[in-house]
Amino acid sequence: DQQVKQNSPSLSVQEGRISILNCDYTNSMFDYFLWYKKYPAEGPTFLISISSIKDKNEDGRFTVFLNKSAKHLSLHIVPSQPGDSAVYFCAASAGNNRKLIWGLGTSLAVNP
Amino acid sequence: DARVTQTPRDKVTEMGQEVTMRCQPILGHNTVFWYRQTMMQGLELLAYFRNRAPLDDSGMPKDRFSAEMPDATLATLKIQPSEPRDSAVYFCASAPSRGALETQYFGPGTRLLVL
Repeated sequence: DQQVKQNSPSLSVQEGRISILNCDYTNSMFDYFLWYKKYPAEGPTFLISISSIKDKNEDGRFTVFLNKSAKHLSLHIVPSQPGDSAVYFCAASAGNNRKLIWGLGTSLAVNP
Repeated sequence: DARVTQTPRDKVTEMGQEVTMRCQPILGHNTVFWYRQTMMQGLELLAYFRNRAPLDDSGMPKDRFSAEMPDATLATLKIQPSEPRDSAVYFCASAPSRGALETQYFGPGTRLLVL
């Protein structure tokens, strides 16, 4: 039973446009959410995070939005660049042990 | 440029053989994680250590998997005996003592194929 769901396995976007990656979760105890990016043959790298006390966090071209009532978060990349082509993982944590629960990832292709 | 290193990068072995994967966390990081990535399950946490002590290994099959940290610069994950269903990419990650525990630095992974 996936507690963190990324329902779109892949997404294709034109360079310069906005990329929107979505993530849904089922556990209302999650209080911290993160996005990681992964290139082939490399480990995931941390991209951006958001605490449940916020509804938006921005870092350069990357913005994460959190809708707690809908148990939904999204990552916006504006403008998208070919170097953004990677697999993006959504992850969440809760409780004292702070274990990360991961989605299955969305493969983003940004076309020149 | 501090990074997590993992060896070997690729491993092909036969069913029943012992497999040992090694990880060197970033110097000064006191928390180390072992993950397994498969197509069907995504990233699963197998075990993690803080200050070399195991905190949680509930994700690890106990009968064949073991994880240790002999010292602060080395973490190991062993599978004995290995089975074809263990084929996956195994990632090690480390995190500093300060900041969010969830901000983890991953190694490049060990790609394991058990025939």
